Parts: sequence; structure tokens; C-alpha cells
Amino acid sequence: DAKTTQPNSMESNEEEPVHLPCNHSTISGTDYIHWYRQLPSQGPEYVIHGLTSNVNNRMASLAIAEDRKSSTLILHRATLRDAAVYYCILAGGTSYGKLTFGQGTILTVHP
Amino acid sequence: SAVISQKPSRDICQRGTSLTIQCQVDSQVTMMFWYRQQPGQSLTLIATANQGSEATYESGFVIDKFPISRPNLTFSTLTVSNMSPEDSSIYLCSAGEGAAYEQYFGPGTRLTVT
Repeated sequence: DAKTTQPNSMESNEEEPVHLPCNHSTISGTDYIHWYRQLPSQGPEYVIHGLTSNVNNRMASLAIAEDRKSSTLILHRATLRDAAVYYCILAGGTSYGKLTFGQGTILTVHP
Repeated sequence: SAVISQKPSRDICQRGTSLTIQCQVDSQVTMMFWYRQQPGQSLTLIATANQGSEATYESGFVIDKFPISRPNLTFSTLTVSNMSPEDSSIYLCSAGEGAAYEQYFGPGTRLTVT
């Protein structure tokens, strides 16, 4: 399975934008880039996913590099409720949708 | 989106016993998965629950220890057999339609083995 690399932790202030980076240099052409987050004491929550083009939804935006070897999850205005562990995961090829979780990025949001 | 429920939400069990965890999805789904999350750690995939056939287990997990059933497209069970304290974890199920689609997770079952 192709691996992803994320910073262990990041900090942000409330109401400021947050850019969470993810490197995936061994991504294959059929791999989708997924982002999930896990709030304390909860199961993971889907955030966004994409293949080649940038994606937007009500929660966040996903910016994918042209060579697809990196991506950035953008939270446009962080709130205290966005404090969570964010996971960048590649899914595709022969994985049939199964997700391999790394350690993720712990996002701390300061009031 | 799919809503996933799990039963029980938590349990305390004695070593040597077994516990069956249920996962119910509010709509039919193609793929269902079981994960384990040990304290302070990330999620580890246990197996893919296949409807109508045997589950597909990841390296380090075996059917005798974690038998899985998937009788239809909305339901699956995971049994943790012959439990030891090392099995104390949160067990989560998830569901989705494949890599091109979002995956949804249940709230987890917190298991403590004494």
C-alpha cells in the first residue's frame, strides 16, 4: 500500500485558516486521496476525498498537487470543534476501499 | 451518507470469554470493515467482512480469534474469542462502496478485559 507522511502536530487559532499537508510520493494512478478526522472518544469522520482535481465541500477543501505526490486539506475558518486527529489516507488499486491509517496530524485550535 | 450503530457501546469481560460486537448500517452497503484502536494509537484494520463469503483478514489477525459474519448488506458481527487483557481496545466497524467513495464509521465498542 502506498504510504502517506503527515506532520505529527499543528496548531491554529480560532477563525483562522488551517492548511494540513500530506505527502504521498508513491501514489499510483488509481489511488484516491481521502481525509478523515477523529475527535476525542469518537469514531473517525469522513472529511473529503479526491482523485486529481481540487475538491470542495461544506467541511473543507482539498488541494491536490499537479503531480499528485502531495495534497493539502484546507479548513477555511478553524473552530474549537475542529480540534482532532486528521488522517490522510490513500485508497484504491487492489485495496477495494479498505483504509490504512497512519498516525495522522493532531490539530490543536486555540481560542 | 450512512449511519452506523454498534452494540454494545462498551463492555468489561473476563479473560477466556468471548464477546460478539454487532454493527448495523441504515442502508445497504457493499463493503464493511472491522478495525481495532488500542489506547493512544491509530486504527488498525482487522478484516474486510464479505457478504456471503468468508472475511478477508489482514496480517496478524486470524479467523479463530476474530470470527466475522456478514449475513446481509446491512449487518456484520465481530467476535473477540478467548479474550486476554491485550484485547482491551476500541473496536470499530465501517462501511462504504469502495475507494472512490466516502467511508462511514460506527462509534466504536470499548472493550476492557480483566
